[in-house]
Amino acid sequence: QQPVQSPQAVILREGEDAVINCSSSKALYSVHWYRQKHGEAPVFLMILLKGGEQKGHEKISASFNEKKQQSSLYLTASQLSYSGTYFCGTEAGTASKLTFGTGTRLQVTL
Amino acid sequence: DTAVSQTPKYLVTQMGNDKSIKCEQNLGHDTMYWYKQDSKKFLKIMFSYNNKELIINETVPNRFSPKSPDKAHLNLHINSLELGDSAVYFCASKGGRAEAFFGQGTRLTVV
Repeated sequence: QQPVQSPQAVILREGEDAVINCSSSKALYSVHWYRQKHGEAPVFLMILLKGGEQKGHEKISASFNEKKQQSSLYLTASQLSYSGTYFCGTEAGTASKLTFGTGTRLQVTL
Repeated sequence: DTAVSQTPKYLVTQMGNDKSIKCEQNLGHDTMYWYKQDSKKFLKIMFSYNNKELIINETVPNRFSPKSPDKAHLNLHINSLELGDSAVYFCASKGGRAEAFFGQGTRLTVV
């Protein structure tokens, strides 16, 4: 079963902040975050590993609650370029299965 | 150099035809995937290969047959295409517990 993201969609004005949540029913080893712009492939933003290690984007931060199998992506001072659909991807055990969440469509306006 | 390349980018075909999509990665990754993205934009995993071996088959119809001749290539052959197969298909590769890199996608339209 795929992870559930919330909200499904959000509209922001430039400069506002947003939080996107990802929740899984399985014990997770890692959580990935990707952004997909219309007509393009998903692009990696951040990875959070069990145990606290993080790698990723300078201007975007995220948290990973291992006990609750939840992750949140924090977008601060949003820019027009942040618009797109955000997906979390989860690994629960095997590194060979990366399962993506339901997606969150984010639109940043002037 | 493109890290993950898949061809073709667009594919329009009639119902009942057989078609293939090719994928190649030059990142030295052990794991490759096929994902299907439907009109609702869900990214659904179809297959996962690790070092040329099929690891995951997510209850995909038998009409879909992946083939990995070596760990840098993962092709997808689809027999007897149906209207419901219309979607964007993404190939991706990943090395261990690191990020996945996606190909540009193949938009398949079955008419």
